[in-house]
Amino acid sequence: KAGVTQTPRYLIKTRGQQVTLSCSPISGHRSVSWYQQTPGQGLQFLFEYFSETQRNKGNFPGRFSGRQFSNSRSEMNVSTLELGDSALYLCASSSAQGPFDYGYTFGSGTRLTVV
Amino acid sequence: GQQVMQIPQYQHVQEGEDFTTYCNSSTTLSNIQWYKQRPGGHPVFLIQLVKSGEVKKQKRLTFQFGEAKKNSSLHITATQTTDVGTYFCAGRRSSGTYKYIFGTGTRLKVLA
Repeated sequence: KAGVTQTPRYLIKTRGQQVTLSCSPISGHRSVSWYQQTPGQGLQFLFEYFSETQRNKGNFPGRFSGRQFSNSRSEMNVSTLELGDSALYLCASSSAQGPFDYGYTFGSGTRLTVV
Repeated sequence: GQQVMQIPQYQHVQEGEDFTTYCNSSTTLSNIQWYKQRPGGHPVFLIQLVKSGEVKKQKRLTFQFGEAKKNSSLHITATQTTDVGTYFCAGRRSSGTYKYIFGTGTRLKVLA
Protein backbone atom coordinates (compact mmCIF):
# COMPACT_ATOMS: atom_id res chain seq x y z
CA LYS A 1 0.00 0.00 0.00
CA ALA A 2 1.50 3.33 -1.01
CA GLY A 3 2.02 5.83 1.79
CA VAL A 4 1.02 9.45 2.03
CA THR A 5 2.68 11.46 -0.71
CA GLN A 6 3.45 15.12 -0.30
CA THR A 7 4.82 17.36 -3.01
CA PRO A 8 7.03 19.20 -3.30
CA ARG A 9 9.51 18.08 -0.62
CA TYR A 10 11.28 21.41 -0.46
CA LEU A 11 10.24 24.90 -1.43
CA ILE A 12 11.84 28.31 -1.18
CA LYS A 13 9.58 31.31 -1.59
CA THR A 14 9.88 35.04 -1.18
CA ARG A 15 7.91 37.02 1.36
CA GLY A 16 4.58 38.12 -0.10
CA GLN A 17 4.30 35.23 -2.54
CA GLN A 18 1.79 32.45 -2.28
CA VAL A 19 2.33 28.69 -2.24
CA THR A 20 0.31 25.55 -2.83
CA LEU A 21 1.23 22.23 -1.25
CA SER A 22 -0.20 18.91 -2.31
CA CYS A 23 -1.03 15.73 -0.44
CA SER A 24 -2.20 12.37 -1.72
CA PRO A 25 -3.52 10.21 1.14
CA ILE A 26 -3.40 6.47 1.45
CA SER A 27 -5.88 4.84 -0.89
CA GLY A 28 -9.22 4.50 0.88
CA HIS A 29 -8.48 7.15 3.50
CA ARG A 30 -11.02 9.94 3.35
CA SER A 31 -9.72 12.12 6.17
CA VAL A 32 -6.77 14.41 5.50
CA SER A 33 -5.31 16.69 8.15
CA TRP A 34 -2.60 19.31 7.85
CA TYR A 35 -0.11 20.28 10.52
CA GLN A 36 2.59 22.91 10.73
CA GLN A 37 5.74 21.87 12.55
CA THR A 38 8.30 24.37 13.80
CA PRO A 39 11.04 23.94 16.41
CA GLY A 40 9.47 26.52 18.67
CA GLN A 41 5.77 25.66 18.38
CA GLY A 42 5.81 21.91 17.75
CA LEU A 43 2.99 20.40 15.72
CA GLN A 44 0.14 22.84 15.20
CA PHE A 45 -3.18 21.72 13.72
CA LEU A 46 -4.19 23.62 10.59
CA PHE A 47 -7.33 21.89 9.33
CA GLU A 48 -8.95 18.57 8.58
CA TYR A 49 -10.93 17.56 5.51
CA PHE A 50 -13.30 14.66 5.11
CA SER A 51 -15.18 13.90 1.91
CA GLU A 52 -14.31 17.30 0.44
CA THR A 53 -15.60 19.18 3.50
CA GLN A 54 -13.54 21.01 6.07
CA ARG A 55 -14.57 19.40 9.34
CA ASN A 56 -12.15 21.05 11.73
CA LYS A 57 -9.99 24.13 11.71
CA GLY A 58 -7.09 25.28 13.85
CA ASN A 59 -6.19 28.78 14.94
CA PHE A 60 -4.38 30.00 11.88
CA PRO A 61 -5.07 33.23 9.96
CA GLY A 62 -7.21 33.24 6.85
CA ARG A 63 -4.06 33.27 4.70
CA PHE A 64 -3.99 29.53 5.28
CA SER A 65 -6.61 27.63 3.33
CA GLY A 66 -7.14 24.19 1.98
CA ARG A 67 -9.38 21.98 -0.02
CA GLN A 68 -10.00 18.35 -0.75
CA PHE A 69 -10.91 16.80 -4.05
CA SER A 70 -13.28 13.96 -4.81
CA ASN A 71 -10.36 11.52 -4.95
CA SER A 72 -9.40 12.60 -1.39
CA ARG A 73 -6.27 14.39 -2.54
CA SER A 74 -5.82 17.63 -0.67
CA GLU A 75 -4.06 20.91 -1.21
CA MET A 76 -3.23 23.68 1.17
CA ASN A 77 -2.52 27.21 0.14
CA VAL A 78 -0.72 29.97 1.97
CA SER A 79 -1.09 33.46 0.56
CA THR A 80 1.02 36.53 1.27
CA LEU A 81 3.83 34.51 2.79
CA GLU A 82 5.58 35.78 5.90
CA LEU A 83 8.98 34.81 7.26
CA GLY A 84 7.25 33.10 10.17
CA ASP A 85 5.54 30.68 7.79
CA SER A 86 8.83 28.85 7.32
CA ALA A 87 8.15 25.38 8.64
CA LEU A 88 7.67 21.74 7.84
CA TYR A 89 4.11 21.19 6.65
CA LEU A 90 2.87 17.71 7.33
CA CYS A 91 -0.13 16.04 5.82
CA ALA A 92 -1.71 13.10 7.61
CA SER A 93 -4.36 10.74 6.38
CA SER A 94 -6.67 8.51 8.35
CA SER A 95 -9.49 6.15 7.78
CA ALA A 96 -11.23 7.47 10.90
CA GLN A 97 -14.94 7.97 10.67
CA GLY A 98 -15.89 7.98 14.32
CA PRO A 99 -14.57 7.73 17.86
CA PHE A 100 -12.18 4.89 17.11
CA ASP A 101 -9.39 5.14 14.62
CA TYR A 102 -6.02 3.72 13.81
CA GLY A 103 -3.97 6.86 13.98
CA TYR A 104 -2.60 9.18 11.43
CA THR A 105 -0.25 8.15 8.67
CA PHE A 106 1.95 11.13 7.99
CA GLY A 107 3.64 12.09 4.77
CA SER A 108 7.29 13.11 4.67
CA GLY A 109 6.29 16.75 4.65
CA THR A 110 7.04 19.82 2.62
CA ARG A 111 9.76 22.01 4.03
CA LEU A 112 8.88 25.59 3.20
CA THR A 113 11.47 28.33 3.57
CA VAL A 114 10.36 31.93 3.19
CA VAL A 115 13.12 34.42 2.48
CA GLY B 1 -8.16 26.53 24.28
CA GLN B 2 -7.11 22.95 24.78
CA GLN B 3 -3.43 22.50 25.63
CA VAL B 4 -1.33 19.39 25.90
CA MET B 5 1.98 19.63 27.69
CA GLN B 6 4.72 17.06 27.82
CA ILE B 7 7.59 16.71 30.24
CA PRO B 8 10.45 16.55 30.09
CA GLN B 9 11.27 18.52 26.97
CA TYR B 10 14.60 16.72 26.57
CA GLN B 11 16.04 13.57 28.08
CA HIS B 12 19.48 12.09 27.69
CA VAL B 13 19.91 8.54 28.97
CA GLN B 14 22.62 5.93 28.88
CA GLU B 15 21.78 2.92 26.77
CA GLY B 16 20.06 0.38 29.00
CA GLU B 17 18.46 2.96 31.30
CA ASP B 18 14.72 3.45 31.47
CA PHE B 19 12.89 6.50 30.12
CA THR B 20 9.49 8.02 30.82
CA THR B 21 7.65 10.92 29.23
CA TYR B 22 4.49 12.40 30.67
CA CYS B 23 1.62 14.04 28.84
CA ASN B 24 -0.89 16.35 30.55
CA SER B 25 -4.00 17.83 29.02
CA SER B 26 -5.90 20.85 30.29
CA THR B 27 -9.16 19.12 29.33
CA THR B 28 -10.57 15.61 29.53
CA LEU B 29 -9.72 13.60 26.46
CA SER B 30 -11.76 11.17 24.43
CA ASN B 31 -8.64 9.24 23.50
CA ILE B 32 -4.91 9.74 23.22
CA GLN B 33 -2.38 8.63 20.67
CA TRP B 34 1.39 8.39 20.78
CA TYR B 35 3.79 9.04 17.93
CA LYS B 36 7.53 8.77 17.43
CA GLN B 37 9.46 11.04 15.13
CA ARG B 38 13.03 10.10 14.26
CA PRO B 39 15.46 12.93 13.52
CA GLY B 40 14.75 14.23 10.02
CA GLY B 41 11.67 12.07 9.72
CA HIS B 42 7.95 12.38 10.18
CA PRO B 43 5.78 11.23 13.09
CA VAL B 44 4.89 7.56 13.09
CA PHE B 45 1.85 6.26 14.94
CA LEU B 46 2.66 4.00 17.89
CA ILE B 47 -0.55 3.35 19.77
CA GLN B 48 -3.98 4.63 20.82
CA LEU B 49 -5.48 4.56 24.33
CA VAL B 50 -9.19 5.01 24.81
CA LYS B 51 -10.33 3.73 28.20
CA SER B 52 -9.77 5.34 31.56
CA GLY B 53 -6.81 3.67 33.31
CA GLU B 54 -5.88 1.71 30.21
CA VAL B 55 -2.40 0.20 30.00
CA LYS B 56 -0.92 -1.17 26.80
CA LYS B 57 2.46 -2.69 26.09
CA GLN B 58 4.52 -2.97 22.95
CA LYS B 59 7.69 -4.93 23.69
CA ARG B 60 9.77 -2.53 25.83
CA LEU B 61 7.21 0.30 25.62
CA THR B 62 4.40 0.70 28.17
CA PHE B 63 1.64 3.24 27.64
CA GLN B 64 -0.82 4.40 30.29
CA PHE B 65 -3.93 6.54 30.19
CA GLY B 66 -4.88 8.23 33.43
CA GLU B 67 -8.05 7.49 35.34
CA ALA B 68 -9.35 11.00 34.71
CA LYS B 69 -8.38 10.77 31.02
CA LYS B 70 -6.35 13.96 31.31
CA ASN B 71 -2.87 12.50 31.41
CA SER B 72 -0.83 9.74 29.88
CA SER B 73 2.66 8.33 30.03
CA LEU B 74 5.05 6.37 27.88
CA HIS B 75 7.71 4.30 29.58
CA ILE B 76 10.58 2.63 27.75
CA THR B 77 12.48 -0.10 29.55
CA ALA B 78 16.17 -0.61 28.85
CA THR B 79 16.53 1.99 26.12
CA GLN B 80 18.40 1.23 22.93
CA THR B 81 20.01 3.58 20.42
CA THR B 82 17.11 2.84 18.08
CA ASP B 83 14.78 4.58 20.56
CA VAL B 84 16.29 7.96 19.70
CA GLY B 85 13.74 10.49 18.52
CA THR B 86 10.97 12.77 19.68
CA TYR B 87 7.89 11.24 21.28
CA PHE B 88 4.60 13.06 20.94
CA CYS B 89 1.27 12.46 22.53
CA ALA B 90 -1.83 13.67 20.72
CA GLY B 91 -5.19 14.08 22.37
CA ARG B 92 -8.67 14.43 21.05
CA ARG B 93 -11.19 16.22 23.23
CA SER B 94 -14.35 14.81 21.76
CA SER B 95 -15.15 11.66 19.86
CA GLY B 96 -17.31 13.80 17.60
CA THR B 97 -14.45 15.82 16.23
CA TYR B 98 -11.40 14.60 14.39
CA LYS B 99 -8.99 17.21 15.68
CA TYR B 100 -5.92 16.10 17.56
CA ILE B 101 -3.85 18.46 19.66
CA PHE B 102 -0.26 17.38 19.81
CA GLY B 103 1.84 17.65 22.91
CA THR B 104 5.04 19.62 22.92
CA GLY B 105 7.10 16.45 22.54
CA THR B 106 9.97 14.87 24.45
CA ARG B 107 13.25 14.53 22.62
CA LEU B 108 15.11 11.40 23.68
CA LYS B 109 18.81 10.95 23.17
CA VAL B 110 20.38 7.60 24.00
CA LEU B 111 24.10 7.51 24.70
CA ALA B 112 25.83 4.27 23.78
